[in-house]
Amino acid sequence: AQTVTQSQPEMSVQEAETVTLSCTYDTSESDYYLFWYKQPPSRQMILVIRQEAYKQQNATENRFSVNFQKAAKSFSLKISDSQLGDAAMYFCAYNQGGKLIFGQGTELSVKP
Amino acid sequence: GAVVSQHPSWVICKSGTSVKIECRSLDFQATTMFWYRQFPKQSLMLMATSNEGSKATYEQGVEKDKFLINHASLTLSTLTVTSAHPEDSSFYICSAIWTGPNYGYTFGSGTRLTVV
Repeated sequence: AQTVTQSQPEMSVQEAETVTLSCTYDTSESDYYLFWYKQPPSRQMILVIRQEAYKQQNATENRFSVNFQKAAKSFSLKISDSQLGDAAMYFCAYNQGGKLIFGQGTELSVKP
Repeated sequence: GAVVSQHPSWVICKSGTSVKIECRSLDFQATTMFWYRQFPKQSLMLMATSNEGSKATYEQGVEKDKFLINHASLTLSTLTVTSAHPEDSSFYICSAIWTGPNYGYTFGSGTRLTVV
């Protein structure tokens, strides 16, 4: 069974600093998608970044970037220049066969 | 584009009654939709996959007769919680696959169900 593991239940970062959230997954497939979603207190799920497994280049979206290590099945999210609005639950998710499977989540707090 | 609207945002119902939650894709056709359940401070748990014009596929451990899913059109999927009990109180979220540019999943805003 495919699983997604986020080993950091909580993380904290100082405003303007950089933080990295970790995620590992387990799969026997070679072609799949990985996602990071943000869930603020409103509970609306917001796509942060997406990575296609067949692409070796790490995805980047403004202050958000990933470190995708396919062999190690690792997919970490780096947030640069953290802002107060980045405070939220962050979920790593794996897609295969149409289903989106989520990790346990990491609650990120940003200190002013 | 790729907007999913979910209603109601919150609902309170009496134990034993049924509640229907709607999920609509506003600007695209959603052949496949998903229903999740989320408890406070926990992750999203996939309940079922809803396919337009066919029966939903439920995840292991999800009661089909309690959580009725209907996907009668390419823009609407509904989740009906039948004979609701307090333990059904939770946050329910729908999602749809967006197959256009920037392939991914788009989510409704969720429904907070409280059964009293």
